Amino acid sequence: GAVVSQHPSRVICKSGTSVKIECRSLDFQATTMFWYRQFPKQSLMLMATSNEGSKATYEQGVEKDKFLINHASLTLSTLTVTSAHPEDSSFYICSALTNLAKNIQYFGAGTRLSVL
Amino acid sequence: RKEVEQDPGPFNVPEGATVAFNCTYSNSASQSFFWYRQDCRKEPKLLMSVYSSGNEDGRFTAQLNRASQYISLLIRDSKLSDSATYLCVVTEYNFNKFYFGSGTKLNVKP
Repeated sequence: GAVVSQHPSRVICKSGTSVKIECRSLDFQATTMFWYRQFPKQSLMLMATSNEGSKATYEQGVEKDKFLINHASLTLSTLTVTSAHPEDSSFYICSALTNLAKNIQYFGAGTRLSVL
Repeated sequence: RKEVEQDPGPFNVPEGATVAFNCTYSNSASQSFFWYRQDCRKEPKLLMSVYSSGNEDGRFTAQLNRASQYISLLIRDSKLSDSATYLCVVTEYNFNKFYFGSGTKLNVKP
């Protein structure tokens, strides 16, 4: 299957710093990528949909100025958590749709963010 | 009302047992349906797609009932390695949105 690489896998940072998470499709072009957040014992919550070359579409309640998404190429999307606070600590996962099989999402391994 | 609802479990079953999960969805126009498996602190992985005609992959059988708006997953001859959380996923037309259920936790005991 298609491979999605997400980096870093683990981040521990101080409150007020910004954290950048990268999501790359390694062997396919991803016209659409999704960013999810998952709190312990809860399901994935969609934060935003990222389309290459256009602005991301954010879900209701997700602050676009706090969670900056850039989908600059067909193989790379980034999520930047700006001025992170302890309540932003969570598991962030990206996924990508291939242009060949648009009904299947391929997930990155996730980034565990801990804000002290 | 949530788009996708699942019984959170946990389902605690012995090895070799047969176990079934159900998932209901609220949008009758939903287009595609999937079961994903998520191990603790890992990303979800696609287990199988779900079709109206039903589909089987080894010990796993998935069914879709559009009239009642639910999908099911049956696991036969459970293995210890089947222990995980099983996520029901439903998409809208054109795959613009994917809705995840909260997951059903399965514990297979020796």
